[in-house]
Amino acid sequence: ETGVTQTPRHLVMGMTNKKSLKCEQHLGHNAMYWYKQSAKKPLELMFVYNFKEQTENNSVPSRFSPECPNSSHLFLHLHTLQPEDSALYLCASSQDPEGQLYGYTFGSGTRLTVV
Amino acid sequence: AQKVTQAQTEISVVEKEDVTLDCVYETRDTTYYLFWYKQPPSGELVFLIRRNSFDEQNEISGRYSWNFQKSTSSFNFTITASQVVDSAVYFCALSEANYGGSQGNLIFGKGTKLSVKP
Repeated sequence: ETGVTQTPRHLVMGMTNKKSLKCEQHLGHNAMYWYKQSAKKPLELMFVYNFKEQTENNSVPSRFSPECPNSSHLFLHLHTLQPEDSALYLCASSQDPEGQLYGYTFGSGTRLTVV
Repeated sequence: AQKVTQAQTEISVVEKEDVTLDCVYETRDTTYYLFWYKQPPSGELVFLIRRNSFDEQNEISGRYSWNFQKSTSSFNFTITASQVVDSAVYFCALSEANYGGSQGNLIFGKGTKLSVKP
């Protein structure tokens, strides 16, 4: 365990389903992130939260909806996804807002398959 | 614009061989940070090292070493006497210090998959 816990580890959902990904950290970090990792593509930053406030939305489609109720928890709500959204979704946290002092701590990811 | 290029998609070596993973970056900033992460089959990215642009001293940590050369915009990673447990995907990443006030600007390369065979 890295200190960042993601659930579920695997998720298969239909295009009309609604599901949520959960990320939890108890490292005392104030910034949390969602990244998408698709095959043969670089990791793509999706959302950034700093002290529970969203500070970046990297042009992500509205079918992905993040929620950060407190500094320790981050959710990604999914609805009406497309097959091309199938990917590994990684959550990360950092002690400093830009992760530049100590890097990011990543979770193990949720492997999402949209059918 | 920021960009990180890892030209080697996959590398396969035999145990105990030395292997170097290349990373070339582009940035307009004079202050920036470079990172290497390891992603084993379990999925999580493991932080390996961070360098800032003002510190060109090479670093060694056990079997790992990093060669930072600003003149060629490279931050290469060498594993000496590789082991099977080193098999993973390795990512190089770049973060600019001043990103217009935004955060979370860690830009990753596409990664290099290293396979170490016994």
